[in-house]
Amino acid sequence: GAVVSQHPSRVICKSGTSVKIECRSLDFQATTMFWYRQFPKQSLMLMATSNEGSKATYEQGVEKDKFLINHASLTLSTLTVTSAHPEDSSFYICSAKPGLAGGRGEQYFGPGTRLTVT
Amino acid sequence: GENVEQHPSTLSVQEGDSAVIKCTYSDSASNYFPWYKQELGKRPQLIIDIRSNVGEKKDQRIAVTLNKTAKHFSLHITETQPEDSAVYFCAAKETSYDKVIFGPGTSLSVIP
Repeated sequence: GAVVSQHPSRVICKSGTSVKIECRSLDFQATTMFWYRQFPKQSLMLMATSNEGSKATYEQGVEKDKFLINHASLTLSTLTVTSAHPEDSSFYICSAKPGLAGGRGEQYFGPGTRLTVT
Repeated sequence: GENVEQHPSTLSVQEGDSAVIKCTYSDSASNYFPWYKQELGKRPQLIIDIRSNVGEKKDQRIAVTLNKTAKHFSLHITETQPEDSAVYFCAAKETSYDKVIFGPGTSLSVIP
């Protein structure tokens, strides 16, 4: 159980275009999903926290108009990188937290999406 | 907000030896401390976690200790094997904002 999928796994796009990444919890309902960015040989940096049906909360320094997050249902969150530039090239990973009362806070990670902007 | 530091950044051990990774956190209200193993290009995998009401937890070759007073927690891997080679991240969960903050990571190499 507790499987999170991400699509696509890899995407190459041209500078100036937009890319949408989907994150799905396959066998549980996720009241909260998190989006991380990871540059090579670096740690996971939290970009934003999204709760189903409400606006995402962005971390300091993350442009909300550039990284659009939608959490329309309890099993799906999307991250859209708008007007992508080469510096946006990175590994984007989502995680989902089950909406269990009294849960210990464990998150389940998706497999990640490798974005390359040319 | 929460800040997690981790040492060492790289660690090489001989197969069969033990490996220890240490972390500190800044928010005394944090109450959940997971450890993740990440292989190149893969997702982080939870290997063990500990809550603040427990001082130590063990799962086969892996153990984690927590000192809440000092805001330190450590990962211990005994009888290391080559397949233990990976990047390990400690993390701390901010209770107020329900988000997990990662340490910078430790690249562990187990030499056969």
